[in-house]
Amino acid sequence: DIQMTQSPSSLSASVGDRVTITCRASQRIINNLNWYQQKPGKAPKLLIYAASSLQSGVPSSFSGSGSGTDFTLTINSLQPEDFATYYCQQSYSPTLTFGGGTKVEIK
Amino acid sequence: QVQLVESGGGVVQPGGSLRLSCAASGFIFSTYGIHWVRQAPGKGLEWVAAISYDGNKKHDADSVKGRFSISRDNSKNTLYLQMNSLRSEDTAVYYCARDPINYYDSSGFHWGYYFDYWGQGTLVTVSS
Repeated sequence: DIQMTQSPSSLSASVGDRVTITCRASQRIINNLNWYQQKPGKAPKLLIYAASSLQSGVPSSFSGSGSGTDFTLTINSLQPEDFATYYCQQSYSPTLTFGGGTKVEIK
Repeated sequence: QVQLVESGGGVVQPGGSLRLSCAASGFIFSTYGIHWVRQAPGKGLEWVAAISYDGNKKHDADSVKGRFSISRDNSKNTLYLQMNSLRSEDTAVYYCARDPINYYDSSGFHWGYYFDYWGQGTLVTVSS
């Protein structure tokens, strides 16, 4: 199975900050990488698919980049509603796998 | 609007069985692949199983292979997950989630293998 490693596992940031979350795959996955946001007690929400495509309805403050094995989710100007846990997920191998998550907390 | 509503969760003893359902509305269910994804309490997300729009293609995680079975009834707009030989490690919230890409072409069958809509989840607790 392809292992997905996210870093950091948690971070503290302030409203207005720029936040970067990294996801590394254990093997090359081209651009088959997706990002989700999950708030407590809620289902995950798709933010970015195919590494850099913004899902409809998602604010443009979210962006994704990367290819091969290394990927990044960037949140420009963090808003109060952005405090949540973020997961990456590879869609290269049929055995789909997620990163361990990054919890973004208020500083 | 797209809606996925899971049901059927509950408390079951180790070794027992449970069948989850996922009722879909707001889109043409018979044209989308659907997945089950689970999340143990306080833990991350784990993909469980997938089924193609026509039910002809299925695959599942090694952790549930031979114990869980995914199926669908397109006439009822409903997805199922039959769970047998349940273990304590199967305790989780189970989500159904839609795959936005599902089609055949000359090169074979194609999946998106990502999830654009999710249900609210149903909790399965395996405990004696």
